Amino acid sequence: GQQVMQIPQYQHVQEGEDFTTYCNSSTTLSNIQWYKQRPGGHPVFLIQLVKSGEVKKQKRLTFQFGEAKKNSSLHITATQTTDVGTYFCAGNSGTYKYIFGTGTRLKVLA
Amino acid sequence: DGGITQSPKYLFRKEGQNVTLSCEQNLNHDAMYWYRQDPGQGLRLIYYSQIVNDFQKGDIAEGYSVSREKKESFPLTVTSAQKNPTAFYLCASRRSGLSTDTQYFGPGTRLTVL
Repeated sequence: GQQVMQIPQYQHVQEGEDFTTYCNSSTTLSNIQWYKQRPGGHPVFLIQLVKSGEVKKQKRLTFQFGEAKKNSSLHITATQTTDVGTYFCAGNSGTYKYIFGTGTRLKVLA
Repeated sequence: DGGITQSPKYLFRKEGQNVTLSCEQNLNHDAMYWYRQDPGQGLRLIYYSQIVNDFQKGDIAEGYSVSREKKESFPLTVTSAQKNPTAFYLCASRRSGLSTDTQYFGPGTRLTVL
C-alpha cells in the first residue's frame, strides 16, 4: 500500500540555525499538506501544495513539492523556540484518505 | 481547528470495557475522520465517513466501531476487542471529498486503559 516516509525522526538545533524535514511517498501524490503539532496539542494545518515543483513561503518557512509529486520538504530559516513541535506531512492520491508521515520532532535549544 | 470538539480530554477505563469517544463539528463539513496517534508516532486512520449514514474502514479499524447518524457527529467506540487501546485519539473533518480541502483537527482525547 501507499507509504509516506519522513526524515529525520528527530532534530535538535541551536536557536538561529536552519532546519529541514523531508517527506517521500511511494506513489505519486495529488497534493500534500503540512501540519505542526505542539507538545500535548493537536495537528494544525500549515499549508497545502498541489502543483509539480511548487514552492510556497510563510515568513521563515519554505515548502517545496517535487517535480514528480512524490516528495516534499519543509525548511525553516533561523529557528526560534516557538518552532518547537512535530512537523507532519500528509499525502493524498486523489481520494478521501490522507497518509501521514511519521513526523519530525524539532527541539530548539536557546 | 476551531469548530470541532472532542470530549472528554482525558479518559480512563478498565480493561475489557467498551468506551465511546465523542466528536462534534459545527463547520457543516461532509467528511469526518478518526485517527489514532501513539507516542512518537504519526497518525493512523481508523475510520472515515464521507457523508451521513456512510463510513469506511481505515488502516487500523479492528476493535473499533463508528456511526454517522448526523452530519455534525461521528462518535468512535473502542471495544474490548481492541488489544492495545491506550493512545491519543484525534477526530478531524473536511468540507467535502475534494482532495484539496483542508482537514481540521479537534483537540483530541487521551485514552488510558488500566
